Amino acid sequence: GESVGLHLPTLSVQEGDNSIINCAYSNSASDYFIWYKQESGKGPQFIIDIRSNMDKRQGQRVTVLLNKTVKHLSLQIAATQPGDSAVYFCAESPSTDKLIFGTGTRLQVFP
Amino acid sequence: EAQVTQNPRYLITVTGKKLTVTCSQNMNHEYMSWYRQDPGLGLRQIYYSMNVEVTDKGDVPEGYKVSRKEKRNFPLILESPSPNQTSLYFCASSPSPDRGSGELFFGEGSRLTVL
Repeated sequence: GESVGLHLPTLSVQEGDNSIINCAYSNSASDYFIWYKQESGKGPQFIIDIRSNMDKRQGQRVTVLLNKTVKHLSLQIAATQPGDSAVYFCAESPSTDKLIFGTGTRLQVFP
Repeated sequence: EAQVTQNPRYLITVTGKKLTVTCSQNMNHEYMSWYRQDPGLGLRQIYYSMNVEVTDKGDVPEGYKVSRKEKRNFPLILESPSPNQTSLYFCASSPSPDRGSGELFFGEGSRLTVL
């Protein structure tokens, strides 16, 4: 069946370091991918997206990399800050009316 | 302020007692959707709506109903709640009916406990 997985359920990084959150997707038909951030007690918040015709997309302090060959997606956060502590979800869209969310990775930032 | 508002944020109820979770967005978005979030399962779509009077089942629609009489409102109705519907519910909206583009704006969530 369709699934979106994450390699690590929890990632701990030191403030100022770069963070890399990984995601594996299973549906080769997926052509659109999104990363969301969910802070404690809040709803998910859009971070960045990427289409399958791209390998890399950069935002403010964040970069998403897409490797279609191995069906792998990653989110890189530069100079991680305490405010980055949250659960991060990847999501894939195999069709225009479907979005499949992963289970999330918790990012913990320590001083 | 652009937002998606859900009510109630917290609710404890008993099996079989009908309840409605309201959702309202002030961004004039066409697309709205309901999700439930359970530990280890991520966000799963319950129902969605592409526009007024247009609703469709998501991945886990059993036990739920929705309506879209106005563009801004998309209530989630549990006619006869059961304990397996204990969950954290999120309403979301998007300016684009095409889920392959555009970002989803989520509400703050409604935590429902069914005893």
